[in-house]
Amino acid sequence: DTAVSQTPKYLVTQMGNDKSIKCEQNLGHDTMYWYKQDSKKFLKIMFSYNNKELIINETVPNRFSPKSPDKAHLNLHINSLELGDSAVYFCASSPPGPGVGYGYTFGSGTRLTVV
Amino acid sequence: AQSVTQLDSQVPVFEEAPVELRCNYSSSVSVYLFWYVQYPNQGLQLLLKYLSGSTLVKGINGFEAEFNKSQTSFHLRKPSVHISDTAEYFCAVLKSSSNTGKLIFGQGTTLQVKP
Repeated sequence: DTAVSQTPKYLVTQMGNDKSIKCEQNLGHDTMYWYKQDSKKFLKIMFSYNNKELIINETVPNRFSPKSPDKAHLNLHINSLELGDSAVYFCASSPPGPGVGYGYTFGSGTRLTVV
Repeated sequence: AQSVTQLDSQVPVFEEAPVELRCNYSSSVSVYLFWYVQYPNQGLQLLLKYLSGSTLVKGINGFEAEFNKSQTSFHLRKPSVHISDTAEYFCAVLKSSSNTGKLIFGQGTTLQVKP
C-alpha cells in the first residue's frame, strides 16, 4: 500500500492549458505539502495544508491553486501553464503537532513537462 | 530565517571507499536536521534525522551523521559505499518550534559510486 500517492506520474501538456495533479495519503497525517523540484534539483515548498486549512503559501504565481477536500487529499491545479512550470512536483505529508519534527513521507513525484 | 548549504554538488567515489557529504546550516533558533536520499526518478526517502540528544545519528543503509552545533554542520558519512548508493542526497533543516513543518533544503549532492 502506497503511503503517499500522486497521479499522474508523468504529465506532458501544451502551454496555456490547465492541468491538475492529485495527491492522497493513507497515513492519517494532518499536514500535507506541495514541493517543486526544478531542473537543478532544488526543492522548494509551495503550499502546506493542515487539516484542510492553508498554512503555508509561498510566493507562488496565483495560477497555482491548491485544494484540500479532506485531510487525506491535497490537489494542485495549475492554470495557463507556462514553459517555466516544467518541473517535478512532490506531494508530502507529516504527522501533527511536535510530530512535524519526525520527518515527512514523500510521494514519488509528478514530472510536468510543458511544451 | 534558516538556510542550508551543501558544500559539494558532486562527489565521485569508488565502490567500498568511505564518503562524507558536507552540510552546513544557518539559523538563529533551534533546529532539527535531516538527510534525505533521492534515487533516480523516485521520491525522497528519509535517511536519518537529528532532533536532540546524541550528536551522532545512525540511519538506514549504513549511513550516519554528526551534529556539530559550534560549527553548524551536519555531515553525512558512510564507511564503505556500494554502487546502489548512487543517488542525490539532500540535507534539510526544520525550525524546532515550527508549527507548519516547512522544510528548508540544501541544493543537493550527487553521489556517484564507481566500480
